[in-house]
Amino acid sequence: DVKVTQSSRYLVKRTGEKVFLECVQDMDHENMFWYRQDPGLGLRLIYFSYDVKMKEKGDIPEGYSVSREKKERFSLILESASTNQTSMYLCASTDPHEQYFGPGTRLTVT
Amino acid sequence: TQLLEQSPQFLSIQEGENLTVYCNSSSVFSSLQWYRQEPGEGPVLLVTVVTGGEVKKLKRLTFQFGDARKDSSLHITAAQPGDTGLYLCAGETNFGNEKLTFGTGTRLTIIP
Repeated sequence: DVKVTQSSRYLVKRTGEKVFLECVQDMDHENMFWYRQDPGLGLRLIYFSYDVKMKEKGDIPEGYSVSREKKERFSLILESASTNQTSMYLCASTDPHEQYFGPGTRLTVT
Repeated sequence: TQLLEQSPQFLSIQEGENLTVYCNSSSVFSSLQWYRQEPGEGPVLLVTVVTGGEVKKLKRLTFQFGDARKDSSLHITAAQPGDTGLYLCAGETNFGNEKLTFGTGTRLTIIP
């Protein structure tokens, strides 16, 4: 079974802090994605990566950056956390036509 | 950015009833997927439909892709409490590039 793990299930940070969210997949997938999920808005794509050291902006990249130094690991970085970044963050990796999601990190910025 | 609107946003029905959830867009998609998400977990894929007019069945769940590949529906027959969850549709614009646009979600509650 494909397994996608995220470093934390719950995280509380203060405004202005730098935040790292880690995602690891064990199926040698090339493509990985970061989404945020908010009620009534569904999942919105922040960034995605097609290969190591490659990244592309999704629909809402502002305030975020990513890092993919190894194939299995895709990190989401909030350079200076703000309260409007309080959300559920979901990571996914894909084989053709199916996205496998991690359990999510619920981030609260106070 | 393509938008996928789902309706209804919330649905609460009694066990044993039937229901239909809709996913609509003005954009054409090369494929459309349906996911179910339970509390504290990530979404899990239920089905992928690719051909306009295609109908797929998964036990009591029936999925249909519109003829023009702009919309889809999910019908559940004789709903059970285990069907409770958040249902998400997701469209793929370019077949195979794996980038999805997700719908707004339908939160379904089945009352025993």
